[in-house]
Amino acid sequence: DSGVTQTPKHLITATGQRVTLRCSPRSGDLSVYWYQQSLDQGLQFLIQYYNGEERAKGNILERFSAQQFPDLHSELNLSSLELGDSALYFCASSEGGWDSGKETQYFGPGTRLLVL
Amino acid sequence: AQTVTQSQPEMSVQEAETVTLSCTYDTSENNYYLFWYKQPPSRQMILVIRQEAYKQQNATENRFSVNFQKAAKSFSLKISDSQLGDTAMYFCAFTPRGNNRKLIWGLGTSLAVNP
Repeated sequence: DSGVTQTPKHLITATGQRVTLRCSPRSGDLSVYWYQQSLDQGLQFLIQYYNGEERAKGNILERFSAQQFPDLHSELNLSSLELGDSALYFCASSEGGWDSGKETQYFGPGTRLLVL
Repeated sequence: AQTVTQSQPEMSVQEAETVTLSCTYDTSENNYYLFWYKQPPSRQMILVIRQEAYKQQNATENRFSVNFQKAAKSFSLKISDSQLGDTAMYFCAFTPRGNNRKLIWGLGTSLAVNP
């Protein structure tokens, strides 16, 4: 158990819908990262937050958005869902510094999203 | 561009034997961290081992060790005394120093440990 929690574990929805994925980082971690793992694209970095502020953006679609709340949990919102959005969405967290060990990302169990 | 290449899509090894998974990367950064993650059939992403680029000593974690060759930009993973529970997809990844700490991933190597 990494200490990172994600809900829900599974999500089945229809095209055009909107869903919210939730992540709680490890205790003490300030950074949260979101990744998408699909069969054809491998693992793709979506976005990073550090202590409530957006730190970096990757290949995140405009239909997707995220935020990190004062209690440091994060939510990833996916809207106008398409079949191709079906994937495993991971949240990871790290302490956020660069000192040895603080940069290591620990992953939650993921949310499996299926868009029908 | 920063990339990670895992040239072995699939490998297999007999239980109790040793196997080495290859990884090369490309970056112009001088300071970064390298990782191996394991993804078993449960799909959980589990950290196996990490290496700091400024350290010449190769990292070791129980049966797992790395061969880090900074000049060659090579970062291979050696698994000794392979166990059935080692069956998984193994991903090599690195994160460069800087504000953007995203992990850059290889496509993975599927390892099967046979009894």
